[in-house]
Amino acid sequence: DTAVSQTPKYLVTQMGNDKSIKCEQNLGHDTMYWYKQDSKKFLKIMFSYNNKELIINETVPNRFSPKSPDKAHLNLHINSLELGDSAVYFCASSPLIGQPQHFGDGTRLSIL
Amino acid sequence: EDKVVQSPLSLVVHEGDTVTLNCSYEVTNFRSLLWYKQEKKAPTFLFMLTSSGIEKKSGRLSSILDKKELFSILNITATQTGDSAIYLCAVGYTGTASKLTFGTGTRLQVTL
Repeated sequence: DTAVSQTPKYLVTQMGNDKSIKCEQNLGHDTMYWYKQDSKKFLKIMFSYNNKELIINETVPNRFSPKSPDKAHLNLHINSLELGDSAVYFCASSPLIGQPQHFGDGTRLSIL
Repeated sequence: EDKVVQSPLSLVVHEGDTVTLNCSYEVTNFRSLLWYKQEKKAPTFLFMLTSSGIEKKSGRLSSILDKKELFSILNITATQTGDSAIYLCAVGYTGTASKLTFGTGTRLQVTL
């Protein structure tokens, strides 16, 4: 009964490939997010969706494209992967804008 | 540019000690300050503070916000080895900007 679940947990792939990460929340929250955590543990917002609508896109390269088929799901597709994309990607959700966010366990992406 | 600065960056204490973690911020449209604990995977929510001077407490952890001086502290009394983690401070915004801006974290290690 995991609240915010991400798949896969680990992703190892070659430079130039395209990959997707999926996120689902069963908390009934309206707002979902993607964050990137680098090797120094710095967490930075990438995208935010409220009820399937994109509300934040924080200067992320066009190679990153989020998709929210419904308010319980927010997926992240990455084209033409680069070495600098290696990081842990966290999905999060909150009941409403401004309320505490609940995080998934992260997807560790490693680019060879 | 918005800034959230945590200090110290890392800390090693003995079990039973009391620790104080600091978070200062310079942001526009401040709404709230949040503390999270990150062990191996997902950051887990500890506190959300919106008003100055009102202490929030949960067991051995407590936190307070000073909106005039733009900082918050997180206190942990009688530390235990299970308190070892990275403690993250984040700022939330007013309006529709639902993102959190995180500090770089304080890595706390509690030894026997």
